[in-house]
Amino acid sequence: NAGVTQTPKFQVLKTGQSMTLQCAQDMNHEYMSWYRQDPGMGLRLIHYSVGAGITDQGEVPNGYNVSRSTTEDFPLRLLSAAPSQTSVYFCASRPRTGAGSPLHFGNGTRLTVT
Amino acid sequence: DQQVKQNSPSLSVQEGRISILNCDYTNSMFDYFLWYKKYPAEGPTFLISISSIKDKNEDGRFTVFLNKSAKHLSLHIVPSQPGDSAVYFCAAKDFGNEKLTFGTGTRLTIIP
Repeated sequence: NAGVTQTPKFQVLKTGQSMTLQCAQDMNHEYMSWYRQDPGMGLRLIHYSVGAGITDQGEVPNGYNVSRSTTEDFPLRLLSAAPSQTSVYFCASRPRTGAGSPLHFGNGTRLTVT
Repeated sequence: DQQVKQNSPSLSVQEGRISILNCDYTNSMFDYFLWYKKYPAEGPTFLISISSIKDKNEDGRFTVFLNKSAKHLSLHIVPSQPGDSAVYFCAAKDFGNEKLTFGTGTRLTIIP
């Protein structure tokens, strides 16, 4: 069982470039989300989705776009990369049933913007 | 505005002793609290949770305590083992909301 799969594992971008971080889950989870982890800041929510066709903003959405055309996939797009977006990005999913059901995380994408 | 705070960035504990990790929150509408453990180069993994209607939940060596009046929760690990060395995040879910808010994490080091 693959769980949550993120690609790529590492990426280096130049300022102004765009790219898409991929996230796929095979657990049929309705809820999916993207977090970024920065030193001393913990995990901060970028965008989330409660089902196909539905997305919403988290704490730090600026500079990022998302879409949810299928239950399985939730890609995160950087429109014009900036050095401030250097971070480790985590995708996570969970079922919507069960209010306290935990998030399942992927292993992350480490992004460096120069 | 940090709604979930972990004020200790790091903690060192002797193997076999108790590890106590603390977390404070400000939002009274949080209805679930969760603890996650993270090893380097891996994603966080779920450890234990507690509903706001309870004050204690236990799972093996791990116990979470919730003090709603103080808006404080803690994770106890007894006995601590070398494999427990990791970063621990507490997280909270808002009532009627799907989002999880995370603290900044505490790095736990178990000394053999």
